[in-house]
Amino acid sequence: QVHLVESGGGVVQPGRSLRLSCAVSGFSFSNYGMHWVRQAPGKGLEWVAVSWSDGGSEYYEVSVKGRFTISRDNSQNTLYLQMNSLRPEDTAVYYCARGELLDSRYPDFWGQGTLVTVSS
Amino acid sequence: QSVLSQPPSASGTPGQWVTISCSGGISNIGSNYVYWYQQLPGKAPKLLLYNSKQRPSGVPDRFSGSKSGTSASLAISGLRSDDEADYYCAAWDDRLSGVVFGGGTKLTVL
Repeated sequence: QVHLVESGGGVVQPGRSLRLSCAVSGFSFSNYGMHWVRQAPGKGLEWVAVSWSDGGSEYYEVSVKGRFTISRDNSQNTLYLQMNSLRPEDTAVYYCARGELLDSRYPDFWGQGTLVTVSS
Repeated sequence: QSVLSQPPSASGTPGQWVTISCSGGISNIGSNYVYWYQQLPGKAPKLLLYNSKQRPSGVPDRFSGSKSGTSASLAISGLRSDDEADYYCAAWDDRLSGVVFGGGTKLTVL
């Protein structure tokens, strides 16, 4: 059974950093691309970043590029999102999502999310 | 402002047929598949359709999808009360090198 469990969310002041983790089980993590997608309170979904299965390349949404870093540890079946220089507009539930096996560009299975609140 | 455009709301009565549109551009829907996600209140999104019209295992055939040019649509037949949810379209955007989502459509079953 596929499981994705996000952790690391919380309240943080503007300008500070936070690292999110996503522990996965039930599938061969190293064979899948992985995404982070966020949802601000009462708003729609916004894609954040993707890491391909080999961890060799990543892509980012323009507003987080240069501030956020997606990474993965295939030996630990864990995906990360390092978030630096946080802004109030980064406040959202952050979902970890698996990329589809045949086309990793698209998320298929999602975790339950972790809430990040950026506020002074 | 989302890259893909969806109506903010849609509604229908039980048993009816309802459609939700998704409009984009050449670099996203015009060049790539469309995916649809269902988000029930308070829950994580769930994949509803992939490759514009394919249903994952477990998704009833009441849900169907189509794509033409730079637009796509989701159709739900035999509307049920538990279909009440937010629905999002998504596509890879070749120009942005990322996934773009529609703003979401809140479906109300009257």
